[in-house]
Amino acid sequence: DAKTTQPPSMDCAEGRAANLPCNHSTISGNEYVYWYRQIHSQGPQYIIHGLKNNETNEMASLIITEDRKSSTLILPHATLRDTAVYYCIVRVRRLGSSNTGKLIFGQGTTLQVKP
Amino acid sequence: NAGVTQTPKFRILKIGQSMTLQCAQDMNHNYMYWYRQDPGMGLKLIYYSVGAGITDKGEVPNGYNVSRSTTEDFPLRLELAAPSQTSVYFCASSHYAPRTGRVLNEKLFFGSGTQLSVL
Repeated sequence: DAKTTQPPSMDCAEGRAANLPCNHSTISGNEYVYWYRQIHSQGPQYIIHGLKNNETNEMASLIITEDRKSSTLILPHATLRDTAVYYCIVRVRRLGSSNTGKLIFGQGTTLQVKP
Repeated sequence: NAGVTQTPKFRILKIGQSMTLQCAQDMNHNYMYWYRQDPGMGLKLIYYSVGAGITDKGEVPNGYNVSRSTTEDFPLRLELAAPSQTSVYFCASSHYAPRTGRVLNEKLFFGSGTQLSVL
């Protein structure tokens, strides 16, 4: 699975969009990009995932560059409750019984949303 | 649904003691995982299971054992506790449904964690 690089920390003003970047320059064609977040002392929470098209759900948007070497997670209107560590993970989505779904977490980006 | 339930929430062990961290899920998920998280670090995969009776090692399996006798439960066993095993342990589950042709197992559901200190 490809390695990812994220900035260790970022700040964002409450109500503004938070844009969290992730580099995955060694990503291969069948690897997906996943985002999870971990609010202090809690278990991680799934946010979104995608392959090459931009994705949006009720929590966030995921923008993947055309060459797929980087992506950006967008929280459109950050609130204080979005303060958390955000993990960008890249893995192969293998079909069949070997598709274990295991995810390897790095150190992530600590997002601090400020009033 | 309660989701993924971990017990205990906190535990202090002496070096050399053994214990079992319990994990149960009520979502009928076939995949289950154990992670550990050291202070200020990301999560590391210890063991995982793709179904009852099937387990496999993750990144950091040494010093741990697991079993999966039922779909619901995935206990993690520490036989001889060491200070290096002081960490927060998270259990997670996900679901793969081959008959529907849809892979759902990217979305992991996590428990609230067990904070373990070995002194």
